Amino acid sequence: EVQLVESGGGLVQPGGSLRLSCAASGFTFSSYDMHWVRQATGKGLEWVSVIGTAGDTYYPDSVKGRFTISRENAKNSLYLQMNSLRAEDTAVYYCAGRYCSSSGCYGFDPWGQGTLVTVSS
Amino acid sequence: IQLTQSPSFLSASVGDRVTITCRASQGINSYLAWYQQKPGQAPKLLISGASTLQSGVPSRFSGSGSGTEFTLTISSLQPEDFATYYCQQLNSHPLTFGGGTKVEIK
Repeated sequence: EVQLVESGGGLVQPGGSLRLSCAASGFTFSSYDMHWVRQATGKGLEWVSVIGTAGDTYYPDSVKGRFTISRENAKNSLYLQMNSLRAEDTAVYYCAGRYCSSSGCYGFDPWGQGTLVTVSS
Repeated sequence: IQLTQSPSFLSASVGDRVTITCRASQGINSYLAWYQQKPGQAPKLLISGASTLQSGVPSRFSGSGSGTEFTLTISSLQPEDFATYYCQQLNSHPLTFGGGTKVEIK
């Protein structure tokens, strides 16, 4: 069964740090670009970061310099180190995979169930 | 690249034909995906490449468009289709999502 399971969410004070993990199973993890996407309560989806199969990374300006994405293919695991957290980072964080083949790239599939990060004093 | 979805809210009945539009602020070729999200669940990929239906997605869903204007059509709305739908551009970083279209029961 294809599965992504996030962990590491919780309550953290503004300015604090948190490390999210995403465990993959049921597919060839090393062949997928891996992404983090977040969703504040009642709001839309916001793309947070990507790490490609070659280790290249990209971030939107909203998290650049504060968040770091990494992966450990031997452990089928994805990580998101979040520093200098702000109230506006409060959201459910999803990990998601994206596969590219010789015939093209697809959308994000699979997705994890999400982990809640709350930044509050 | 900004994506503008319309409408943001849609009230429809079972059996209705529903069309959701997604407009990009600049051309994105066909690098557009559509997702369905139900409350408390992760998004589900419906369509990639603007028009390619994902395996297992019912054929009543279809996508079209290229460049800057795209549509998601549900040919005959079913009870399980009431959800929020998002478009996403995959042409260039930062990747972006549309604001969402909530489809509710009339």
